[in-house]
Amino acid sequence: GQQLNQNPQSMFIQEGEDVSMNCTSSSIFNTWLWYKQDPGEGPVLLIALYKAGELTSNGRLTAQFGITRKDSFLNISASIPSDVGIYFCAGRGSTLGRLYFGRGTQLTVWP
Amino acid sequence: DGGITQSPKYLFRKEGQNVTLSCEQNLNHDAMYWYRQDPGQGLRLIYYSQIVNDFQKGDIAEGYSVSREKKESFPLTVTSAQKNPTAFYLCASSILDKTYEQYFGPGTRLTVT
Repeated sequence: GQQLNQNPQSMFIQEGEDVSMNCTSSSIFNTWLWYKQDPGEGPVLLIALYKAGELTSNGRLTAQFGITRKDSFLNISASIPSDVGIYFCAGRGSTLGRLYFGRGTQLTVWP
Repeated sequence: DGGITQSPKYLFRKEGQNVTLSCEQNLNHDAMYWYRQDPGQGLRLIYYSQIVNDFQKGDIAEGYSVSREKKESFPLTVTSAQKNPTAFYLCASSILDKTYEQYFGPGTRLTVT
């Protein structure tokens, strides 16, 4: 399968700080998505991006679809304790129904 | 409430036994998926189905089997041929026009000893 490189693997931050994470691929994707997974639960879709250059916000979350279509970024502003979890990027290529996932960024927020 | 149900949440089996994981959705989604998650790893696709009575292998289908007899249900069988079956298994679904927007169930943690 296609490989997505997601960085960083883990982050330890204080409440109130901003967070940035990114995902890169060796292949072009038509859609980029960002999911969040709480411990022991299934991932929940946060943001979907459909066009190169697109910038989309969902509350304190902002994600961008890279111009090259091979990368995406997720920013979280003013982090709070409930932001704790694993954030996954996912990309959709040309094969219908197939998503490829990054390995995730484990976010820990200290009060 | 519409959603995806996976049962049970935790499952324990002895090595050599087949085990079937349940996945049901009432979202009227056409497509359903099974993923495997290991610690520190991303989600890896096992099987997916876009229509009843049809399914395709994902990246790690060996040692697994599925069926899609009803639109709402997509059970996964972990066979004794799967060499390392202990993992967290996630089921997802989507509408056919938006297969990239997949919605996940709560997962089943399978432990084989």
